[in-house]
Amino acid sequence: EVQLVESGGGLVQPGGSLKLSCTGSGFTFSDSPVHWVRQASGKGLEWVGRIRSKTDNYATAYSASMKGRFTISRDDSGNTAYLQMNSLKMEDTAVYYCTSAFATASNNFWGQGTLVTVSS
Amino acid sequence: DIQMTQSPSSLSASVGDRVTLTCRASQGIRNDLGWFQQKPGKAPKRLIYAASSLQSGVPSRFSGSGSGTEFTLTISSLQPEDFATYYCLQYNSPPLTFGQGTKVEIK
Repeated sequence: EVQLVESGGGLVQPGGSLKLSCTGSGFTFSDSPVHWVRQASGKGLEWVGRIRSKTDNYATAYSASMKGRFTISRDDSGNTAYLQMNSLKMEDTAVYYCTSAFATASNNFWGQGTLVTVSS
Repeated sequence: DIQMTQSPSSLSASVGDRVTLTCRASQGIRNDLGWFQQKPGKAPKRLIYAASSLQSGVPSRFSGSGSGTEFTLTISSLQPEDFATYYCLQYNSPPLTFGQGTKVEIK
């Protein structure tokens, strides 16, 4: 069974940091880009950023509003991608999803999401 | 950044209706567009990729069309399980951008 599982969410104070993990199984994780997408309560989907595979030199890209604060990395030996979030703001409060490739014919997998709450 | 505009923001329809949702890109994106369905409390599910290719396992009542800047998602005969919010996503160039969503409600 294909799975993506996020972890690491929780409550953090404004200005704080948090690192989310996304662990994949049931597919060749190392061949897939990993995207992070977030959704504030009652709002739409917002793309956070992505990391490509080793074949594409682990290239990263980010949404402008998160660039410089968020960093995506991956450890293919553990089938895990990470989202390091620094200088968190209240408006970063959201459910964070990781997901696989959008562009390919192979299936697009999503995790169940992990809630990040930025509050004092 | 490429802006994606969906219309309408919401619609009410009955079971069996034909429904068409629209997504417009602020600049040409070839066919680098996907459609996603999301139900409350659940992760999104991809329905369509490359503007018109049906994701394996998705019912054939869903279809996508368009290229460049104008795209549509059509549900040929709305079923009870189709009441959800639908999002388009352009992946032509980063930053990737979603439309604001169309909520399909029961009339």
